[in-house]
Amino acid sequence: ETGVTQTPRHLVMGMTNKKSLKCEQHLGHNAMYWYKQSAKKPLELMFVYSLEERVENNSVPSRFSPECPNSSHLFLHLHTLQPEDSALYLCASSQDQRRSNEKLFFGSGTQLSVL
Amino acid sequence: AQSVAQPEDQVNVAEGNPLTVKCTYSVSGNPYLFWYVQYPNRGLQFLLKYITGDNLVKGSYGFEAEFNKSQTSFHLKKPSALVSDSALYFCAVRAALNSGGYQKVTFGTGTKLQVIP
Repeated sequence: ETGVTQTPRHLVMGMTNKKSLKCEQHLGHNAMYWYKQSAKKPLELMFVYSLEERVENNSVPSRFSPECPNSSHLFLHLHTLQPEDSALYLCASSQDQRRSNEKLFFGSGTQLSVL
Repeated sequence: AQSVAQPEDQVNVAEGNPLTVKCTYSVSGNPYLFWYVQYPNRGLQFLLKYITGDNLVKGSYGFEAEFNKSQTSFHLKKPSALVSDSALYFCAVRAALNSGGYQKVTFGTGTKLQVIP
């Protein structure tokens, strides 16, 4: 285990539903990230939080809404998604997002299917 | 713009044979380079990184990678492949800048390694 836990592991939702993805890290890290993984595409960075403050918003559609209530928890709120949003959503954490040589610790991801 | 290329979607190798997974990169200034592995139904797991110093970096599970600045490459290698090495491997690059702001990590598309018994 990496110390980063994501729930749920699988999620199927309709385009009109509202759901949330949850991520929790037990590593004492200050930075948390959301990535989108689609087949045969590079991992896409969506959001970066450092000490609960958003420091990067990578041109993500507003139907994805992140929330970071504290440095251990990160949420991704989903509403009115499109079928092309179906993907594996990965949460990651690191000690300090300003340090370029740091490795990322990833959760196992939420496999999202939008019908 | 920063980028990573993994030219092979899949690499097949017989168990016991040496393996190489290729990666080339483009970044402004000096790079920090990483390899991650993803097993089925799991998130990415750190394998090794190059920061500075010796061009040959050793990592987890017997993997190593060689940094070649002139060829802007960071190929992943292992002398003797195991069936359990079968997984998806991602190369990543980050600029070694110290501006105080967020330095984006750029990942490649991944290479599926299949080790055949």
